[in-house]
This record gives sequence, structure tokens and C-alpha cells, in this order.
Amino acid sequence: GAVVSQHPSRVICKSGTSVKIECRSLDFQATTMFWYRQFPKQSLMLMATSNEGSKATYEQGVEKDKFLINHASLTLSTLTVTSAHPEDSSFYICSAKKGGTSTDTQYFGPGTRLTVL
Amino acid sequence: EDQVTQSPEALRLQEGESSSLNCSYTVSGLRGLFWYRQDPGKGPEFLFTLYSAGEEKEKERLKATLTKKESFLHITAPKPEDSATYLCAGVNDYKLSFGAGTTVTVRA
Repeated sequence: GAVVSQHPSRVICKSGTSVKIECRSLDFQATTMFWYRQFPKQSLMLMATSNEGSKATYEQGVEKDKFLINHASLTLSTLTVTSAHPEDSSFYICSAKKGGTSTDTQYFGPGTRLTVL
Repeated sequence: EDQVTQSPEALRLQEGESSSLNCSYTVSGLRGLFWYRQDPGKGPEFLFTLYSAGEEKEKERLKATLTKKESFLHITAPKPEDSATYLCAGVNDYKLSFGAGTTVTVRA
């Protein structure tokens, strides 16, 4: 199989605090990991792409200083939402793929529901 | 700009009532078309990848087909457990672009 986990599954925090979300590939080594956010009844929007040991590539309009991504190993990537505000409340989903080609399947984690009060 | 459009937004079916979901795409340099299933509050679950026009893939009651501009997901004799949001996505050398999904509800 290809199992991806995320932790935590939901988090509630106060405005101005930082939140870290972990994404792990449990049974494979992921060459590339991706971070998406999803608003209700909308598409998944790609935020950034990360490769192990290198800096993440952010999509246009995504603030790299606000959404810090670290890809420390072939099985772990983290997303830190710094100084969170209510507009950052969303469903954050990571994905990982085994191979290095564009058509390799992305396997998704279960998502993290972030609520900023 | 790459675009993936799914229709209808929502589909309510009676158990056993077959139907089709549409995915229209304009993705430059398309390399493949993916279908995923997403349950409420969960991440997408991979179903199929289609690589070229004319290709078809099947899994249980689901069959996906691909043309040069569209993909269809056919649901044959659906059951209540097929209720979910079905997402399609086109991939090129840069990224995966998702449609907003079709939410399917199958009533017993």
C-alpha cells in the first residue's frame, strides 16, 4: 500500500500563535511531498511542493514566511502556520509520491482541520 | 491558466441507478488525468490514472474514460457506500490541478 498520515487531525488555536502539522509517509519513501488547502465545496489548492533536503517551491500568492515547510527526511514533511489568523482556518492536506515523474500517483493524508479563533 | 471543471456539482441517485460524472479540462502539457474519491473530512483516495485518449479503467462499479478534452466517471448500479465526492485532476510537468468535485449521494 501507500499510506500517508497527518498529525494532528484537528487543531484549534488562538490568533497570533503558530501551529505545526506533520505529514508522514508510513510505508514508502517519498521523493516529493505536497501541501494543499481546501475550502468547503472548493478544489484542493496547491500551496507548495517540497523535496527532501531542499527548499520548498511555493505557488504564486502563498506567503513563504507565513507557511513554513520543512522536508527533513524522505518520510516526513512539516507545515508550520506562523502567527495564525482566522482567515488561515481551513482544511490542510498533504500528499506524497514515491517516484520522480509527474504522472506518479500522489497519495494523500487524511487532512488537518485548523480553526483559528 | 490550467482549468479543470466538473459537472454536475451534486448528483442524487437511487440505489441501482447508473449515471456519469463529467470532467472537462484545459491543462497545458497534460501528462495524465487522475480520479480520486473523497469522503467528508478525509483526504482524497486514489482511484484511477488515465494517460491517453481512448483509455478506460474499471474498478468495481466505477469506470473511467478519457478523451482529448474530457473524462467521464461512470457509476454502474451504485450502492449507498458509493456516496462521496469524486475529484478529477490533470497533471503536467509542474503540478496537479483539481476540479471542485461532484458530490454523489446514493439513496437506498
